[in-house]
Amino acid sequence: EAGVAQSPRYKIIEKRQSVAFWCNPISGHATLYWYQQILGQGPKLLIQFQNNGVVDDSQLPKDRFSAERLKGVDSTLKIQPAKLEDSAVYLCASSSYRDSPPGAGELFFGEGSRLTVL
Amino acid sequence: AQSVTQLGSHVSVSEGALVLLRCNYSSSVPPYLFWYVQYPNQGLQLLLKYTSAATLVKGINGFEAEFKKSETSFHLTKPSAHMSDAAEYFCAVSYSGSAGKSTFGDGTTLTVKP
Repeated sequence: EAGVAQSPRYKIIEKRQSVAFWCNPISGHATLYWYQQILGQGPKLLIQFQNNGVVDDSQLPKDRFSAERLKGVDSTLKIQPAKLEDSAVYLCASSSYRDSPPGAGELFFGEGSRLTVL
Repeated sequence: AQSVTQLGSHVSVSEGALVLLRCNYSSSVPPYLFWYVQYPNQGLQLLLKYTSAATLVKGINGFEAEFKKSETSFHLTKPSAHMSDAAEYFCAVSYSGSAGKSTFGDGTTLTVKP
C-alpha cells in the first residue's frame, strides 16, 4: 500500500512570495489533515477535510493560507504572501476509521514539505 | 479542550538502559492517547495507542505505555534502549467527538549513547 505522498520536499522562497504544497493521501482514506510543524514544536492542525468538505479550519490563517481538496482525493495548501514565521515543515496526514472507534484512528503522515522563508 | 504536556524536551540514555518518556494530558472527556515517533526528515509513524481497552498498551519495537487516569499520564517505556531508538517522540490526544483530529505535545528527542 502506497503511503501519503507530498511534494515538494523542500522549498525556499522570499517573504511576500507564494508557495503551494501538494498531498496525495492513502487510497480510500476519507479524512485528510494539514499540520504545521515549527522547529522545536509538535505538529499544529491547520485544516481537516472529510472527503472534499472542510471539517475544521479554525486554526488556518485565512488571510494568507488556503487549502482545497478537489474530488475528495488530492489536496493543495497555498500560502500567499509568505511571512518569515511561516518557515516550518508542512505535514499532510490521512486516516480511515473503518476499524477504530470514531476519533481513535491512526494518522498516517507523509514525509513533509520543509518551507524556508527568507 | 484537550492538551498534552511532554516533560523533558531532551532525554539521553545509554544503550541497554531503560527508556522513560513522560506524557501528561488534559481532557474533559475520556481521551484516546497516542505515541508517534519521527525519524530525521521523515513523517510521524504510530508506535502505539490507547482507546479505552487495556490500560497497558504494547506497541512496535518493544515500546509500551500505561494509561493512568488518576495521574492523567500516558508515559512511554522500553526496557532496553537500542541505538536505532534515537528519534523524536510525540504524545497526542484525541477523543470520540474530535472527528479524528489529534492534539500533539511538543515532542521529546531521545538520544542513545553507545
